[in-house]
Formats: sequence, C-alpha cells, structure tokens
Amino acid sequence: GQQLNQSPQSMFIQEGEDVSMNCTSSSIFNTWLWYKQDPGEGPVLLIALYKAGELTSNGRLTAQFGITRKDSFLNISASIPSDVGIYFCAGQINNNDMRFGAGTRLTVKP
Amino acid sequence: SQTIHQWPATLVQPVGSPLSLECTVEGTSNPNLYWYRQAAGRGLQLLFYSVGIGQISSEVPQNLSASRPQDRQFILSSKKLLLSDSGFYLCAWNFANIQYFGAGTRLSVL
Repeated sequence: GQQLNQSPQSMFIQEGEDVSMNCTSSSIFNTWLWYKQDPGEGPVLLIALYKAGELTSNGRLTAQFGITRKDSFLNISASIPSDVGIYFCAGQINNNDMRFGAGTRLTVKP
Repeated sequence: SQTIHQWPATLVQPVGSPLSLECTVEGTSNPNLYWYRQAAGRGLQLLFYSVGIGQISSEVPQNLSASRPQDRQFILSSKKLLLSDSGFYLCAWNFANIQYFGAGTRLSVL
C-alpha cells in the first residue's frame, strides 16, 4: 500500500532537547500508531490514537491524531540517549490495511 | 498474555536455496497474522496476511509464499531465493486494531 509521508528522515540532537516528527497522507485513517524500532528488533508500539483531535501522552512522549484524520505528530521531550532508534508512524484504515511511514532515525548526542 | 515468536533470528542462504520462516503466537486464538519485509533504512512493506487457517492474502506478487497450517502458526516460504529477497522480515498479529510485531528475521541471500 501507499506509504505515509514521514518527516524528518533523520534527526541529530543533543541530549535534553525536544524532538518533533510528523506523518501526513492524502488518505483518511481510523487509527494512528507510533512505533519505535531498535536495531535488529521488531517495532514496539509507543502510542495509539483512535479519534480525530486526540492528544495522548506516554511518559515523555506525546502524540496527536490530526483533526483532518490525515496526519499525526509525535513529540519527545527532554531526550535521553536511550531514545535513539527509528520511529515509525502507521495509519490504519482497517485491520488488514495499515500504511507505514519510512521512519525517522533519531540520534541523541550525550 | 499474548506473545509472538519468530525464528530464526538471522539466516544466511545462497541464491536458489529454499526458505522457511516461522511465526507463532501464544495466548490468543484465531488472530489476524501478517508478514512484512523491511529493506535497509526503509519502512515496512506488507507481503501477506491471514485471517484464518488456510486463508492467505497476498499484497505483492513476488518470489515468496505464505501458509497458515495451524491457527497460531504463520510460515513464509520460497522455493528458490533471489538476491533481492534479502531483508528484515517481520511477523505481526492484530489485537484491537493494533499490530504487534515479532523480533524479526534478518535474511541475507548471497
């Protein structure tokens, strides 16, 4: 299926800085998901969003389901070295139709 | 609780050899199951999904096939591997509109 437009492609930040990444699409989604993938591992779910406008936090992570249902963002506050990894957005239309962004590779310098 | 197992973790195979990757899910019954491929530095591409025993839907025509011989078992196969089959293969299952991933198999075709 068509991939989502995820940006930025990569980020190099200093420990303690805040991070923001987003995904956009021309399609409307019923669910937005954000995953983190460590090298050589499968993606792990961070946050799930189920309705337009929803703003959800998980510790230092905050994500929002866009009002138009075509976009979502993820913010990480006060980054730490273990935040390093690849972050993927995913938009789901139904159980068997999920689209993924190409990922944002985050590097945190101590 | 539900868990998903994937093996092997890494595999190096010569071109033209067969392939069999296995995925099993514990703690649930009749899950929707998925096989994805992830090229280096890229997002996830859905290869196959299954909604039940013997039911396979293919998303991308290719050198691979999938089978679901048991409720909680999903197998990805090939009769003759190509160089382009190299990549990171992920199995996933669906619960409450969220896909949960296995740890992945790194396949190198030489």
